[in-house]
Amino acid sequence: KAGVTQTPRYLIKTRGQQVTLSCSPISGHRSVSWYQQTPGQGLQFLFEYFSETQRNKGNFPGRFSGRQFSNSRSEMNVSTLELGDSALYLCASSLEAELHYGYTFGSGTRLTVV
Amino acid sequence: QKEVEQDPGPLSVPEGAIVSLNCTYSNSAFQYFMWYRQYSRKGPELLMYTYSSGNKEDGRFTAQVDKSSKYISLFIRDSQPSDSATYLCAMRLATGGFKTIFGAGTRLFVKA
Repeated sequence: KAGVTQTPRYLIKTRGQQVTLSCSPISGHRSVSWYQQTPGQGLQFLFEYFSETQRNKGNFPGRFSGRQFSNSRSEMNVSTLELGDSALYLCASSLEAELHYGYTFGSGTRLTVV
Repeated sequence: QKEVEQDPGPLSVPEGAIVSLNCTYSNSAFQYFMWYRQYSRKGPELLMYTYSSGNKEDGRFTAQVDKSSKYISLFIRDSQPSDSATYLCAMRLATGGFKTIFGAGTRLFVKA
């Protein structure tokens, strides 16, 4: 079966711009989580969506937002980009009935802010 | 202090060695404990998971959880060059969704 698909794979944006990243979870997975990965901070939790509702939120500023659609696909948006937003953004999906399992991650979107 | 502490390494071992990777944590409410492996330019992949305390073995990999000490370990026997990757410990609560706290990751190199 298809894995978690993230698009685009690479992005270069300018400070002050905004960006939207997309994630298609594994078919049947209704939980989608987003993480930011940087060399200095490691994997930091952004938010989790389940059935179009935000269920958990990390400690990121309001410039970071997300949403989930009825087909479980998710997008995250970062407005007013800063240099420090350069990172690998990872999406992960999970099957609610398998809480004892972990995530299936996508390959990520590498965002560079110049 | 971070909720999950993990030595970032790097850790370099010869092929065939036993590798020990460890994490400590501060939140005694964590119930699910996981190890992920991440290769360069890839997302992490789930390697092992354990619920509460105890040991779990899967092939060359053994995961141990000691909740009394707030300490988890991953052992890799007969390590192979293909095991060279970053290993991330992770943990979460039993309820409230899938929000997971990750360690910084340990970079492992297995030399042929």
